[in-house]
Amino acid sequence: ETGVTQTPRHLVMGMTNKKSLKCEQHLGHNAMYWYKQSAKKPLELMFVYNFKEQTENNSVPSRFSPECPNSSHLFLHLHTLQPEDSALYLCASSQGQGKNTQYFGPGTRLTVL
Amino acid sequence: QKEVEQDPGPLSVPEGAIVSLNCTYSNSAFQYFMWYRQYSRKGPELLMYTYSSGNKEDGRFTAQVDKSSKYISLFIRDSQPSDSATYLCAMSLQGAQKLVFGQGTRLTINP
Repeated sequence: ETGVTQTPRHLVMGMTNKKSLKCEQHLGHNAMYWYKQSAKKPLELMFVYNFKEQTENNSVPSRFSPECPNSSHLFLHLHTLQPEDSALYLCASSQGQGKNTQYFGPGTRLTVL
Repeated sequence: QKEVEQDPGPLSVPEGAIVSLNCTYSNSAFQYFMWYRQYSRKGPELLMYTYSSGNKEDGRFTAQVDKSSKYISLFIRDSQPSDSATYLCAMSLQGAQKLVFGQGTRLTINP
């Protein structure tokens, strides 16, 4: 498929659960992104990491907590989510600043009950 | 006003037709323009990438950018059922990592 993988592909969780989404890129890129894709809405950028450092937080609620241990891995930790957080969560990567062609993973379909 | 406007469709055309997909935008500073294709239950796949104004062709696909009108287009010639997908336009500022996406147009090519 692509050089960006995401697990799990599907996740159902209750509002009191804690879960994590994982993303791994095999493209040698230095930047990684989390996006939220809801029905009938444009993709919403959530977080940007460059060389493991968070460089953008697009006013995301604190119940979403990203972690980037190295340039190849990105996590999104979830806790006390709301039903309106149900969406497709996409991870992307790019070479880095100045090179903004982004490559996406297949996404995690999240349902919050 | 949205930064990027894209008709969500759905758009349905017969196989072999020429398809025209469009986006308009409000920020004249956008310099990079992209088209992504997203199949059902998949992530977006980069289809075309254009810098500034002009045309770019890749096989059956042609991307056009008209910065004076703040209007971009994607043309698909000899459309195939396998082209059925949602097409997303995206754009960014010079040197910026943030992509601004359109809502996506859902396209169906009927055999």
